[in-house]
Amino acid sequence: AQKVTQAQTEISVVEKEDVTLDCVYETRDTTYYLFWYKQPPSGELVFLIRRNSFDEQNEISGRYSWNFQKSTSSFNFTITASQVVDSAVYFCALSEAIANFGNEKLTFGTGTRLTIIP
Amino acid sequence: GAGVSQSPRYKVAKRGQDVALRCDPISGHVSLFWYQQALGQGPEFLTYFQNEAQLDKSGLPSDRFFAERPEGSVSTLKIQRTQQEDSAVYLCASSLDRAGDSYEQYFGPGTRLTVT
Repeated sequence: AQKVTQAQTEISVVEKEDVTLDCVYETRDTTYYLFWYKQPPSGELVFLIRRNSFDEQNEISGRYSWNFQKSTSSFNFTITASQVVDSAVYFCALSEAIANFGNEKLTFGTGTRLTIIP
Repeated sequence: GAGVSQSPRYKVAKRGQDVALRCDPISGHVSLFWYQQALGQGPEFLTYFQNEAQLDKSGLPSDRFFAERPEGSVSTLKIQRTQQEDSAVYLCASSLDRAGDSYEQYFGPGTRLTVT
């Protein structure tokens, strides 16, 4: 069975500090996708990144960066120079193919609540 | 708007009542998902539609839960004889199909169901 673990329940940092959110996953699939979503207080999940299991290159997008390490089954997310607008709950997720239908259902972690203190 | 919309945003039901939750996906999106998010938890998969076909309903917690998408667009999640444990946020997501080569799921704002 697939599983995603986000051990950090809540994190608080002072604005402009860097912060890393941890994600560890379990799967028997050889091909899978990893995701990060942001859930602000409004409740709508906002897509941040999708990563193929064959691509272990780190990715940077502005202040966001992701470190994917298959050897440790981790897909960590770092925000540099954090801002108050980054305050939200962040979810890591793992895809599971739906038979041969070509689409994926997501298994989510329990989320990390990030609070940026001004 | 161009995003996924859900209605109602909030629903309070007395235990034993039936409820119907609506999802309007992004126009042209073939795939539609329902997830259930309990307080303080991550979303959990309920069911999946490709057009009007319900291809996976393995996540539906009981036979009191029923989903449909008769014309391949709007979807309704129905819960019969609601119980307190059904209290949660119900999220709908849509995505393009494989031909569109995009698996990004766009989520709606959710319906918060409270069963009293």
